[in-house]
Amino acid sequence: EPEVTQTPSHQVTQMGQEVILRCVPISNHLYFYWYRQILGQKVEFLVSFYNNEISEKSEIFDDQFSVERPDGSNFTLKIRSTKLEDSAMYFCASSEGTFQPQHFGDGTRLSIL
Amino acid sequence: QKEVEQNSGPLSVPEGAIASLNCTYSDRGSQSFFWYRQYSGKSPELIMFIYSNGDKEDGRFTAQLNKASQYVSLLIRDSQPSDSATYLCAVKGGSARQLTFGSGTQLTVLP
Repeated sequence: EPEVTQTPSHQVTQMGQEVILRCVPISNHLYFYWYRQILGQKVEFLVSFYNNEISEKSEIFDDQFSVERPDGSNFTLKIRSTKLEDSAMYFCASSEGTFQPQHFGDGTRLSIL
Repeated sequence: QKEVEQNSGPLSVPEGAIASLNCTYSDRGSQSFFWYRQYSGKSPELIMFIYSNGDKEDGRFTAQLNKASQYVSLLIRDSQPSDSATYLCAVKGGSARQLTFGSGTQLTVLP
């Protein structure tokens, strides 16, 4: 069964550094998403992406964050000037259509030291 | 502020019993409803989705939706120890792309 793949599975970074989290959505999916989950808390929406542009973003997704689809398969989340509170699981998801279910990758655990 | 509320549990049921998980949502414009299962330290895994009022069955799982009451539930029949996980209710509004998640209900199925 097709799946969303994310790399790396675990990223450890010093505070203030930049990180790039990578995702390969399911191949025939057109809508891409990033969510995060701080330990013990809810899954929170960050951003959705369609047709090579951001279609929706949350208050969390400020100027520190950016997304890109650099080629036909990858979808990336860049976090600049990381802070301790950015430590979380980051999940990429994709869906065929806007009303279709979103399928999640295994996540990247980001640890900021 | 769109809210999705779930009883955090923990909910314990004996093996073979029916587990009933409930969720309420605040946004009357919500149109799509999803149940995800999340094992500890893992990602959300889609279990069921429902768009229309009524029941939708898939194997041992039944999702129930009542838009008038802004209520969605998940029934798990013949519960197995492997069903022990946190069950996340997620809701999507009409024009929105994002899912709004509840905090999840932790289910334990006792052998």
